Amino acid sequence: DTAVSQTPKYLVTQMGNDKSIKCEQNLGHDTMYWYKQDSKKFLKIMFSYNNKELIINETVPNRFSPKSPDKAHLNLHINSLELGDSAVYFCASSLSKGPGTEAFFGQGTRLTVV
Amino acid sequence: LAKTTQPISMDSYEGQEVNITCSHNNIATNDYITWYQQFPSQGPRFIIQGYKTKVTNEVASLFIPADRKSSTLSLPRVSLSDTAVYYCLVGRPSNSGYALNFGKGTSLLVTP
Repeated sequence: DTAVSQTPKYLVTQMGNDKSIKCEQNLGHDTMYWYKQDSKKFLKIMFSYNNKELIINETVPNRFSPKSPDKAHLNLHINSLELGDSAVYFCASSLSKGPGTEAFFGQGTRLTVV
Repeated sequence: LAKTTQPISMDSYEGQEVNITCSHNNIATNDYITWYQQFPSQGPRFIIQGYKTKVTNEVASLFIPADRKSSTLSLPRVSLSDTAVYYCLVGRPSNSGYALNFGKGTSLLVTP
């Protein structure tokens, strides 16, 4: 069973469109994240949700709106897509408590805006 | 969050031991040091985590000196499949989870 799964794996769309990426984790974790990895391979946190509550919202345009219907799901909706949104988006999950914990990542969604 | 500095790239031959050092001068008392590995077209994968001294698992060892201002990831007898980007992260879990920025990482190339 895949621990953190995201769909779709590839997404090609035109500028101005609205798209969503779905993420699900079956690890029982209480915290989920969205990361963006750009062409230079920097992997940056976008959002963090803890028990369906938004905890971290980095300087991300408000065209990006995460939605967490339950603890196991964190979807990312993007409005009015721009060329600069092209990147690989990773969903991840972890436990929020403990002496140290690891994050589990999905396989990524490669978004290409044309 | 503690800033980390690691070499941009390293090369090694198969069968050699590879040591990647990460500097984190402003590490906080409660921070843990975690290393991730990322293959092309995949999400990062946890390798090892430690707080002080030495930690070893089936994949790697992590050496942390007493001042904790740096750490060294040691990969014994690397193979071609160890070619990947290795990220050093410093932080602690909290109510916001364990959200960390990964930085640039070290791109390791293993050749025959």
